[in-house]
Parts: sequence; structure tokens; C-alpha cells
Amino acid sequence: AQSVTQLGSHVSVSEGALVLLRCNYSSSVPPYLFWYVQYPNQGLQLLLKYTTGATLVKGINGFEAEFKKSETSFHLTKPSAHMSDAAEYFCAVSVGGGFKTIFGAGTRLFVKA
Amino acid sequence: GAVVSQHPSRVICKSGTSVKIECRSLDFQATTMFWYRQFPKQSLMLMATSNEGSKATYEQGVEKDKFLINHASLTLSTLTVTSAHPEDSSFYICSARPGVQETQYFGPGTRLLVL
Repeated sequence: AQSVTQLGSHVSVSEGALVLLRCNYSSSVPPYLFWYVQYPNQGLQLLLKYTTGATLVKGINGFEAEFKKSETSFHLTKPSAHMSDAAEYFCAVSVGGGFKTIFGAGTRLFVKA
Repeated sequence: GAVVSQHPSRVICKSGTSVKIECRSLDFQATTMFWYRQFPKQSLMLMATSNEGSKATYEQGVEKDKFLINHASLTLSTLTVTSAHPEDSSFYICSARPGVQETQYFGPGTRLLVL
């Protein structure tokens, strides 16, 4: 069975500082990995995804994530936080032809001025 | 591209009534749609997976007679919460998957409040 663990339910950074949101997964087969962002009372927006190939994936809004198989991790980073980055971030994993997706518990990012 | 809409965005109903939520893929055909439920400050919980023209597959613990899902076309899936009760109050989010792509596109969600 697949699972996703997001370390830290809340992360607070200063504007301009590095953003690091941690995600570890468990899967018996090569997974597809995703990061989504959710703003209050809205649906989820895809930030980036890893399927195959290059392990460093670049997404929208300056975010990127690196798939590390040996560490079963897919941490999300952004070099310089912006106030508009404040939101809830979900890491997700899917496998199989049905692409059933399992979501992590989410990490709320706070950005301080 | 890849826009998914939900209607209504929020609904308030009395206990015992039924509520229908629509999920539409606006610019692509969705062979598979997913319905999620999200409680405040929690993650998304998959309720069911629906494929066009076939019965939905419900996750363990989700009552299929209470949460009726219909996926009548490649662009529309509906979730009907039957005989709603206050504990059904939640944020319901749908997603749609085009063809054989691994990516899901999410709707904006529907906030249901049952009084």
C-alpha cells in the first residue's frame, strides 16, 4: 500500500527566505509524485509532478522538487518565499493504471513580512 | 486548459434533504473522475472513483447508498448526498483525469452545510 508523510503540519518562513516542505512516501512500485497547493476555500492546483526521467522537477511559481529514490523523498523547495506563497501544500502519490491518489496530511506555509 | 468546474460552490440545506453537486470538465473529456471530502484543516479523503458509463468504486467506509455518484458523460459527474445530516457538512472536491494521463485536475470545491 502507498502512503505519504509530510513532516511538519506548519512551516513559517520570512519573506525572501528559503522554503522547504518535506515529503516522504512509501510505495512498492515506482510512484508518480505530486505537489499541490490549496488556497482557502478553493480546490487544489498542481504545482509540479514527477513521473519518470529527470529527478529534479521544476513547477510553477518558482517551486521545484527532487525525487530521491534512496531516501523515498520528494521535498518541495523555493529559493525565496513570497507573501503570496502562504497556503496549504499537499504532497501526493499515485500508482497503478487507475491512478488512485493518496494525499499527505498537508503543510500550511506561513510567510512573515 | 484542463479546467474543472463544480456547482454549486456552496450550499446550505436542511437535515433530511438531498443535495446534488455537479462536476464538469470544461475543455477535456474525463474518463475518470474522483470525489474527495475534506474536513477543516485536514487532508483530502478519497470517497469514490467514477468511470464514465460504469458504476463508481467506493472507498472503504463510504456509504454508496448515501453518496450516489453518476458519471453519465465524459464531461459530467454528479455526487448526490441523500438524506443529508449535519455530520455530512464538509468541503467536497472533485477531480477529473483526461484519458490515460496521470494528472488529475481539481474543481474549486463545494462547501456543504447541513443544518
